[in-house]
Amino acid sequence: AQKITQTQPGMFVQEKEAVTLDCTYDTSDQSYGLFWYKQPSSGEMIFLIYQGSYDEQNATEGRYSLNFQKARKSANLVISASQLGDSAMYFCAMRGRGSTLGRLYFGRGTQLTVWP
Amino acid sequence: SQTIHQWPATLVQPVGSPLSLECTVEGTSNPNLYWYRQAAGRGLQLLFYSVGIGQISSEVPQNLSASRPQDRQFILSSKKLLLSDSGFYLCAWSVNARAATYGYTFGSGTRLTVV
Repeated sequence: AQKITQTQPGMFVQEKEAVTLDCTYDTSDQSYGLFWYKQPSSGEMIFLIYQGSYDEQNATEGRYSLNFQKARKSANLVISASQLGDSAMYFCAMRGRGSTLGRLYFGRGTQLTVWP
Repeated sequence: SQTIHQWPATLVQPVGSPLSLECTVEGTSNPNLYWYRQAAGRGLQLLFYSVGIGQISSEVPQNLSASRPQDRQFILSSKKLLLSDSGFYLCAWSVNARAATYGYTFGSGTRLTVV
């Protein structure tokens, strides 16, 4: 079974500072993918970044990077130079290769608040 | 390019009334389709998923049902809404393949309030 754990219900960061959102996972699959999504107050789910289990380098997308530590089964999202518009709910998710259903397993989310 | 449409954006319905939410995908074929519900300030709860026309799997027994009458159309329904059906409903699609690299693309969501 797949399980995603986000232990931070809420995080606060000052504008222009960096912030790390924690995510740990549990899976028996050897091949899997890790995803982060952003959900602003409008409700839409926005894909941010993807990390494959066999990727040797940490994924980066602009101000987003993924601190992937495979042995520790963690996939933390790092947002550099936070902006007010980064205030949102952030979800970590995982998909195992073994499932043709393609189901993503989501964590419970972390509410990030960026203040001026 | 692929797009996903979900409507309506908001809906206020009385208890006991029927429900129909629709989701369509463009630019791809044979997608996996999913319905999620999100209570206020909470995580995502998978309600239904479908890997093909007429193939529906339910994750949580409840007052809702889903149908997939066409390859790229996914409908969430209820015959009689309950107050507890209120929430934010999200449709999503993913590539139907045994690979871990494909995530979801979500629709814009429907905010349902049952009164």
